[in-house]
Amino acid sequence: DGGITQSPKYLFRKEGQNVTLSCEQNLNHDAMYWYRQDPGQGLRLIYYSQIVNDFQKGDIAEGYSVSREKKESFPLTVTSAQKNPTAFYLCASSIDPPSGGIHTYNEQFFGPGTRLTVL
Amino acid sequence: GIQVEQSPPDLILQEGANSTLRCNFSDSVNNLQWFHQNPWGQLINLFYIPSGTKQNGRLSATTVATERYSLLYISSSQTTDSGVYFCAVGNFNKFYFGSGTKLNVKP
Repeated sequence: DGGITQSPKYLFRKEGQNVTLSCEQNLNHDAMYWYRQDPGQGLRLIYYSQIVNDFQKGDIAEGYSVSREKKESFPLTVTSAQKNPTAFYLCASSIDPPSGGIHTYNEQFFGPGTRLTVL
Repeated sequence: GIQVEQSPPDLILQEGANSTLRCNFSDSVNNLQWFHQNPWGQLINLFYIPSGTKQNGRLSATTVATERYSLLYISSSQTTDSGVYFCAVGNFNKFYFGSGTKLNVKP
């Protein structure tokens, strides 16, 4: 079955520790994204990647880092510099349309999420 | 970034009622999606609709891109429709979400 997987489902971290959240997709999508959701709020973009070995900051990148060494994988590291990391983290992927083309279809598909709690 | 406003923020319906959810956005976009977030947090794709009208069973959506709004219609609501509905808009790879409409359908 094609889809997006995230692990772990729940994660507990002590203050001052870095943690890495996993995101894997087998949809052959070029673009991948990380979002953060706080209770009662919408999603905010942390980082996105259009292609392997390239990624861009979203609106709330401070305290986070990412890598994109493989097309299928886009792990997110929540560093100790992130002041308030307790949140629900969602990964998504989409077909990235060709640059300059008239085709702009870019529907996102989401994984099940990881709930991170800082103790 | 693009501002996205969803209304109403909360909605309580009796089973079988119809409803309209609205999404206004502040700039032109070439991507627009509607999602349903279930109680476990999973985002379920409802429509990819940067313009025009689409229907899927009891749900339909219309986006008027020139006037920067989109509407999601739910007809004959069921208790399983409960949850939060999000609108997301964007250009290419940057997407912006509204704060959602929380729908509670009572039996």
